[in-house]
Amino acid sequence: DSGVTQTPKHLITATGQRVTLRCSPRSGDLSVYWYQQSLDQGLQFLIQYYNGEERAKGNILERFSAQQFPDLHSELNLSSLELGDSALYFCASSVDGRALGEQYFGPGTRLTVT
Amino acid sequence: EDQVTQSPEALRLQEGESSSLNCSYTVSGLRGLFWYRQDPGKGPEFLFTLYSAGEEKEKERLKATLTKKESFLHITAPKPEDSATYICAVPARTGGYQKVTFGTGTKLQVIP
Repeated sequence: DSGVTQTPKHLITATGQRVTLRCSPRSGDLSVYWYQQSLDQGLQFLIQYYNGEERAKGNILERFSAQQFPDLHSELNLSSLELGDSALYFCASSVDGRALGEQYFGPGTRLTVT
Repeated sequence: EDQVTQSPEALRLQEGESSSLNCSYTVSGLRGLFWYRQDPGKGPEFLFTLYSAGEEKEKERLKATLTKKESFLHITAPKPEDSATYICAVPARTGGYQKVTFGTGTKLQVIP
């Protein structure tokens, strides 16, 4: 158990809908990272927050947004969903805000868009 | 552009048959290299961090080594429970920000 929690574990929704994925980092970690992993693909970095502020943005679509709250949990919002958005979405956390240290991953949310 | 390439894509070993996985990288100013293990449908599990050429780290049947251009994950006398995808990653500066670039992994299957 990495100490990172994600909810929900599974999500099935229709095209055009909007969903919110939630992540709670390990105790003491200030950075939260979001990744997308499509079937048999590598981890694609989406966005990083550090202590409530956006630190880095990767290949995140404009339809997606995220935020980190004062209690350090984070939410990833996905809107106008398309079939191609079906994937595993992972949240990771680290103490380091500069993406130089190891990251600890949650169990993921499996999103299926039908 | 900073890249991480892993080989082979897949590896099938008999139980007890030792082997090595390769991770080659092109990144300016290496600041560390990470190895993760990922089981199907689960989040990657952190294994090792290596910071400088010549460094080695061990954990049970796994040993990670680092050179200036690549890293190896040696698996000694593997067991079926070592079956997983092993992923390496490096911090890299891309497009004005710092992020971790992950390889696509080597899928290891250990047959009893």
